[in-house]
Amino acid sequence: NAGVTQTPKFQVLKTGQSMTLQCAQDMNHEYMSWYRQDPGMGLRLIHYSVGAGITDQGEVPNGYNVSRSTTEDFPLRLLSAAPSQTSVYFCASGYGTANTGELFFGEGSRLTVL
Amino acid sequence: SQKIEQNSEALNIQEGKTATLTCNYTNYSPAYLQWYRQDPGRGPVFLLLIRENEKEKRKERLKVTFDTTLKQSLFHITASQPADSATYLCALEAGGSYIPTFGRGTSLIVHP
Repeated sequence: NAGVTQTPKFQVLKTGQSMTLQCAQDMNHEYMSWYRQDPGMGLRLIHYSVGAGITDQGEVPNGYNVSRSTTEDFPLRLLSAAPSQTSVYFCASGYGTANTGELFFGEGSRLTVL
Repeated sequence: SQKIEQNSEALNIQEGKTATLTCNYTNYSPAYLQWYRQDPGRGPVFLLLIRENEKEKRKERLKVTFDTTLKQSLFHITASQPADSATYLCALEAGGSYIPTFGRGTSLIVHP
């Protein structure tokens, strides 16, 4: 049982480059989300999805795009990377109901933008 | 504005003692509150969830309390061990969205 899988684990980009962080889960969770974690800032929600075809913005969505074409996958796209996007990114999934609010996190993707 | 506050200073305790971490919040009416553990370089791992109508929840050496009047949750680890050293995050669900918002976490260091 793989859980939540994120790729790549590490990435270095130059300012202005684009890239996609991949996230896949095999638990049939409806809810998926992306967080970024910066020192002293905690986990901040970027985008989330409550099901295939449905996405919405979180607290810090600027500079990021998402799509949810399948239940399993929720990629995060950086269209034109900026140094301010240097961070550790976590994908999380869950059932998204009041009965089981637990989130399952991936191991993170560490992104450096030069 | 909504705030979730966890002590930013690390908590240092001796092995065998009880560790108590605090999560305070303002301008929230959460239906539930969660605690997660995060080790360096790893993703957070879920520990416990407590609902607004529950005062206390236990799991092995872990105990969580939830006081909606004080707007506070306490997270206790009894008989702490060096392996319990990690950062502990609290998370609140905001307004029926089932989307948790996280505090910044408190680092716990258990000394042998």
